[in-house]
Amino acid sequence: GAVVSQHPSWVICKSGTSVKIECRSLDFQATTMFWYRQFPKQSLMLMATSNEGSKATYEQGVEKDKFLINHASLTLSTLTVTSAHPEDSSFYICSARAPDTGELFFGEGSRLTVL
Amino acid sequence: AQRVTQPEKLLSVFKGAPVELKCNYSYSGSPELFWYVQYSRQRLQLLLRHISRESIKGFTADLNKGETSFHLKKPFAQEEDSAMYYCALSISRNFNKFYFGSGTKLNVKP
Repeated sequence: GAVVSQHPSWVICKSGTSVKIECRSLDFQATTMFWYRQFPKQSLMLMATSNEGSKATYEQGVEKDKFLINHASLTLSTLTVTSAHPEDSSFYICSARAPDTGELFFGEGSRLTVL
Repeated sequence: AQRVTQPEKLLSVFKGAPVELKCNYSYSGSPELFWYVQYSRQRLQLLLRHISRESIKGFTADLNKGETSFHLKKPFAQEEDSAMYYCALSISRNFNKFYFGSGTKLNVKP
């Protein structure tokens, strides 16, 4: 099946710094990718839909200036958590929908810890 | 608005017992519904989708539009079925958004 890869898998940063997480579709082109946030023992919360070549679409309550999304190519979307604070610590997961089957493939997730 | 509801956070059954994980959705259009599974320390992966109407690992799910449900069933649970199960709804074909339920942890006891 298709593969979606995230990097880094775990990052620790100081409060106030910015962190970039990459999401790549390795063997298919994805015009649309999705970013989710998962709190411990909770479900995935859709943060935004990343559209190649255009602005991301954010879900209600998600600060677009806080979580910058860039989808510069058909295989890469990035999520930048700007001026991170401890409350931003979470597990961030990206996904991409395969264009032929419509199946959603997930990255392995990136754990962000803000000190 | 909550689009996908999974009422049970935890479901414990004994090996060989039947399993039903409940999922209800709210969407006025034509929904695409999926079940995703996350085994321990692994990424989320697709288990099945209502369009394909297939059985995967013995699991089946039928879309009931009248009851707006998409319950996941298996007649005889196995220990290796223990995992987190998420029901997901896909809407808006242009953007293909996915919304997930809160998940149900299935624990199959020996």
